[in-house]
Amino acid sequence: DAGVIQSPRHEVTEMGQEVTLRCKPISGHNSLFWYRQTMMRGLELLIYFNNNVPIDDSGMPEDRFSAKMPNASFSTLKIQPSEPRDSAVYFCASSLYDEQYFGPGTRLTVT
Amino acid sequence: KNEVEQSPQNLTAQEGEFITINCSYSVGISALHWLQQHPGGGIVSLFMLSSGKKKHGRLIATINIQEKHSSLHITASHPRDSAVYICAVKGGGNTPLVFGKGTRLSVIA
Repeated sequence: DAGVIQSPRHEVTEMGQEVTLRCKPISGHNSLFWYRQTMMRGLELLIYFNNNVPIDDSGMPEDRFSAKMPNASFSTLKIQPSEPRDSAVYFCASSLYDEQYFGPGTRLTVT
Repeated sequence: KNEVEQSPQNLTAQEGEFITINCSYSVGISALHWLQQHPGGGIVSLFMLSSGKKKHGRLIATINIQEKHSSLHITASHPRDSAVYICAVKGGGNTPLVFGKGTRLSVIA
């Protein structure tokens, strides 16, 4: 298996633009997690899905952030409109039981 | 909500030294993870444990459930061990990880 796949790996955008991050979990995994990592706050959970259903989105910063998982093999995290404080590395992870497997991350820079 | 504390925050060691990184958490868990993040950012799972001790090469992880404490040891440290080591804990079921702030390790030749 190729592992968790994220795209793009790097994204630079201007404030106010819409940003869409994509994730393909490991085949057969039933849980998917979106995390954000910044120097100040470390790794934080944004949202997670179980069997494609959002279970906990309490970490989503505000209404500008939205996440979907239309099927078991694909998820998106959208930021609209983006702001400079959204600059971070966004990780997607998937799991079947306790162990989580992380994607390589998307480094987002909002200027 | 579980709080995860790691110590030290930063650690510099000479090559060959024995290294210990500590992690404490506040409520019951189903599993504790030790993760490694190299410069460049990729996150790799080193260990997942719920009791006792695990060993992989020069790395050893222990957990004391009663004391809510875990340690990660590196024997005969090497410059390639330089990375950020992150402790994360998990409740039951398909719940997310709660992360510590990480320990930045630098091993000098």
